[in-house]
Amino acid sequence: QVQLQESDPGLVKPSQTLSLTCSVSGGSITSGSYFWSWIRQPAGRGLEWMGHIYYFGSSTYNPFLKSRITISMDTAKNQFSLHLTSVTAADTGMYYCARLVAGTAGWFDPWGQGTLVTVSS
Amino acid sequence: QSVLTQPPSVSGAPGQRVTISCTGGRSNIGALFDIHWYQKLPETAPRLIISGDTHRPSGVPDRFSGSRSGTSASLAITGLQAEDEADYYCQSYDSSLSRWVFGEGTRLTV
Repeated sequence: QVQLQESDPGLVKPSQTLSLTCSVSGGSITSGSYFWSWIRQPAGRGLEWMGHIYYFGSSTYNPFLKSRITISMDTAKNQFSLHLTSVTAADTGMYYCARLVAGTAGWFDPWGQGTLVTVSS
Repeated sequence: QSVLTQPPSVSGAPGQRVTISCTGGRSNIGALFDIHWYQKLPETAPRLIISGDTHRPSGVPDRFSGSRSGTSASLAITGLQAEDEADYYCQSYDSSLSRWVFGEGTRLTV
């Protein structure tokens, strides 16, 4: 079965770029009509869909983050990545990668275990 | 705040039945986009427990069930067990916001 694992960025300084990688095992990120997604939970808040990349490489982003976010994929390594620029304390929280199944009507399954990102100087 | 509204907390005794509501609007639940539910235990990833309004993925006990009506959806848990104590989130798509949306989550105490 497919499993996802986020990298651990640790501490990120304000105004810098947050970079995370999601490693996918048990299946290829180019097989099937899946959307490889990033979801976060800022401290004290609910879950927020950040964006995703489709299996053939096109990306869609949360309009609220669109100016700061880039999601890319490395098919050779079976990974996809998140880059979020100009981070602030408001970007602190848990970050999850997940697979979106069935597009607009779809659900997220499975999820990675999550990684804690702290933005602080 | 989230476009999908959930109660912050619900509670029930072992063996009882509880329901968790998820209220949206005309651009998400009311627009007939599917509702999905997740269970999140402490220190673990969210787990899909209901997809497509009512479907239980393999391995999810039949004590969990989903329903919808109008601009709302509900998750029902019967025969409560201590292991059900977790946070529960609803999720759908919002056509006005052009993004996938989640409820704020409901903490279930058993």
